[in-house]
Amino acid sequence: LAKTTQPISMDSYEGQEVNITCSHNNIATNDYITWYQQFPSQGPRFIIQGYKTKVTNEVASLFIPADRKSSTLSLPRVSLSDTAVYYCLVGDRTYSGAGSYQLTFGKGTKLSVIP
Amino acid sequence: DGGITQSPKYLFRKEGQNVTLSCEQNLNHDAMYWYRQDPGQGLRLIYYSQIVNDFQKGDIAEGYSVSREKKESFPLTVTSAQKNPTAFYLCASSIVGTSPSTDTQYFGPGTRLTVL
Repeated sequence: LAKTTQPISMDSYEGQEVNITCSHNNIATNDYITWYQQFPSQGPRFIIQGYKTKVTNEVASLFIPADRKSSTLSLPRVSLSDTAVYYCLVGDRTYSGAGSYQLTFGKGTKLSVIP
Repeated sequence: DGGITQSPKYLFRKEGQNVTLSCEQNLNHDAMYWYRQDPGQGLRLIYYSQIVNDFQKGDIAEGYSVSREKKESFPLTVTSAQKNPTAFYLCASSIVGTSPSTDTQYFGPGTRLTVL
């Protein structure tokens, strides 16, 4: 599984656009980039997934440069309800032993939206 | 309502006791997962099952056991061999597509286990 690096925390005011960048220097050719959102004491929720260039859905956009060594999750006009931890997950299935898998969400980025 | 349910939400056990956490899904997903989350940390995979009666160990399977007798159910047993069992446990499910790290996972609400 490709190692990812994200900022530990970010603050933003309501109504602003927020960009969270994830670095994944050793991304493999077959790897996709997936972002999840997690509120306290809840399970993560899928936000968006992409392979290259730009992907947009009703809640976010994902920008991936040509070299795919990083990606940026963009949240337009955040509100207080967007305060959460955001995880970047990159990779294909990786065997860590006979029939076992590695699949780890990093520590994520804690986004705090300020009124 | 389609989704994943985990019960109970909070669980307290004495040290040395085995405890089983429930996970049920009605999304008709073939794949199911168990993760552990410690305070301020990300999620780490405990077990993964792609099909009934088959499952694979994840990053931190030691001290845990699972069964997959039905497509809808994937219970996790935390045994007395798990040295630090107090954590937030999350169950997830997905279709079986490209791989566990790219297939969209749908998570349950979690069970917070405290071992006294």
